Amino acid sequence: ETGVTQSPTHLIKTRGQQVTLRCSSQSGHNTVSWYQQALGQGPQFIFQYYREEENGRGNFPPRFSGLQFPNYSSELNVNALELDDSALYLCASSPDTNEKLFFGSGTQLSVL
Amino acid sequence: GNSVTQMEGPVTLSEEAFLTINCTYTATGYPSLFWYVQYPGEGLQLLLKATKADDKGSNKGFEATYRKETTSFHLEKGSVQVSDSAVYFCALADTGRRALTFGSGTRLQVQP
Repeated sequence: ETGVTQSPTHLIKTRGQQVTLRCSSQSGHNTVSWYQQALGQGPQFIFQYYREEENGRGNFPPRFSGLQFPNYSSELNVNALELDDSALYLCASSPDTNEKLFFGSGTQLSVL
Repeated sequence: GNSVTQMEGPVTLSEEAFLTINCTYTATGYPSLFWYVQYPGEGLQLLLKATKADDKGSNKGFEATYRKETTSFHLEKGSVQVSDSAVYFCALADTGRRALTFGSGTRLQVQP
């Protein structure tokens, strides 16, 4: 039990739609990161938020955006969905000063 | 840029066999190195880590040694169990960044 919960667990969307994925972190974890894991691949870093500000971004286009809220919840938004966006999206939180990440179980997104 | 290469799977072993999963990396500076494990239907869990050259991380009978001269961080276990069946990911965190770069994962199947 990592204390990180994600919703929904599964989601089906069609190409061109928009989606919002949600994550609830452990209390006191000021950093939240999002990763995309395609089938059979390792997770790829999308971005990180620290105290509600974006604190680093991977090689993902601007249609991937995020929000972090003071209550330790966060969102990943993806606009104009493409077929290649089909993947498991993982949220991970951490305390301020160390690298240990606590991962949620992920949201499986299918884009048809 | 940073990259992690790990042996392709699946690796199929009998219970009590010796396990090695190879991992090599490319990075600037002095990254921290990690092994994560992903059980079916669950998120990633940190298995072990090492933060500097010659450090040995260990947990639950698994070990890995940070070898800077060979840029490697191979995972080993002396006697695997059926419950060790999972996907194992090698990862690195660059100095000053909290983003993890993952390998593509190695599926381990342990047969009774």
